[in-house]
Amino acid sequence: DGGITQSPKYLFRKEGQNVTLSCEQNLNHDAMYWYRQDPGQGLRLIYYSQIVNDFQKGDIAEGYSVSREKKESFPLTVTSAQKNPTAFYLCASRGPGVEKLFFGSGTQLSVL
Amino acid sequence: KNEVEQSPQNLTAQEGEFITINCSYSVGISALHWLQQHPGGGIVSLFMLSSGKKKHGRLIATINIQEKHSSLHITASHPRDSAVYICAARGNEKLTFGTGTRLTIIP
Repeated sequence: DGGITQSPKYLFRKEGQNVTLSCEQNLNHDAMYWYRQDPGQGLRLIYYSQIVNDFQKGDIAEGYSVSREKKESFPLTVTSAQKNPTAFYLCASRGPGVEKLFFGSGTQLSVL
Repeated sequence: KNEVEQSPQNLTAQEGEFITINCSYSVGISALHWLQQHPGGGIVSLFMLSSGKKKHGRLIATINIQEKHSSLHITASHPRDSAVYICAARGNEKLTFGTGTRLTIIP
């Protein structure tokens, strides 16, 4: 079955540590997105990529980094520069010329 | 101030009731999305609207472009409809999300 897989489901970060969230899709979609969800707030865009080897900052990119070496994969690294990383992170993808977004099941990141 | 506002924030209803969730936006848009977020966190796209009305099963979505308003209706609600419903407006290549409406259907 086609879809988006995020892992892990839960992740804990120690102070000063970088952690990487995985996002893999087998939908053959070019566009991929990372969103952050905080209680009482709408989803906010962290980074997006329209094509392999290219990505753009979203509204809240500070303290995060991404790569897009393969069409199927768009990992997000939460760096130690992100001082408030506790949130629910969602990855999404979209096909060419199509509005519909497909979402992964999310990763809950917490700070130890 | 969020450019996309949803109401109500929380809604509890009895099984079988007709449900309406509202979404108002302040920006010009090219499309409006309705999404469903399950208790586990995963999100499913329900509808994408640019005008008029769409229906899928017991779910109906409408949009009034002049009034910058969209509604999501659920007929014959069921406990499995319990979820957070999120609207998102696409304008100027950017998607702006509402904060969601938490719906609980009691058997």
